[in-house]
Amino acid sequence: ETGVTQTPRHLVMGMTNKKSLKCEQHLGHNAMYWYKQSAKKPLELMFVYNFKEQTENNSVPSRFSPECPNSSHLFLHLHTLQPEDSALYLCASSQDRGAANEKLFFGSGTQLSVL
Amino acid sequence: GQNIDQPTEMTATEGAIVQINCTYQTSGFNGLFWYQQHAGEAPTFLSYNVLDGLEEKGRFSSFLSRSKGYSYLLLKELQMKDSASYLCAVVDSNYQLIWGAGTKLIIKP
Repeated sequence: ETGVTQTPRHLVMGMTNKKSLKCEQHLGHNAMYWYKQSAKKPLELMFVYNFKEQTENNSVPSRFSPECPNSSHLFLHLHTLQPEDSALYLCASSQDRGAANEKLFFGSGTQLSVL
Repeated sequence: GQNIDQPTEMTATEGAIVQINCTYQTSGFNGLFWYQQHAGEAPTFLSYNVLDGLEEKGRFSSFLSRSKGYSYLLLKELQMKDSASYLCAVVDSNYQLIWGAGTKLIIKP
């Protein structure tokens, strides 16, 4: 069993749909992250949660809504997305947030296609 | 602005050695990471350098020169399973991770 599990692995949705991405970590970490990965572009940090509290929102459009009910689970609720939102969405966790040498543990991602 | 540069794609032969370069211009420096990402899989940690010099870890080594804003990942005795993307990321003065776009490494038999 991997340390960080994401579901679904693939998702196709229309622009008017509502869907949610789920992430679960089994590592006992306190910080969780959502990243967007587009082809040939750097990873874009979207949201950071530390001890269940959102600490960073990098100017992400409101059509993306995160939720962190506890330190092990993270959701990304999607609503009225645009085709340019098609990308790989990666969840990650780390022991804590703030140390320079903090390693990130990633899930395999959800490949999202918006039609 | 902050910038991380690494080659988009490289090709190497099985059994050979390849060096993947990463240059950076960031506001401050608190370390540099290398991650490996196989197609369709999660990025996984390879190395973290904060001091100048070479750190060896099996077939993989990572080098850092802070004065030159430069790092490289050296892969020896290449295997087909080393075909992957290699991501360089720098920790800036605000402890934010600045990512490069990644280098896709193709290994040929």
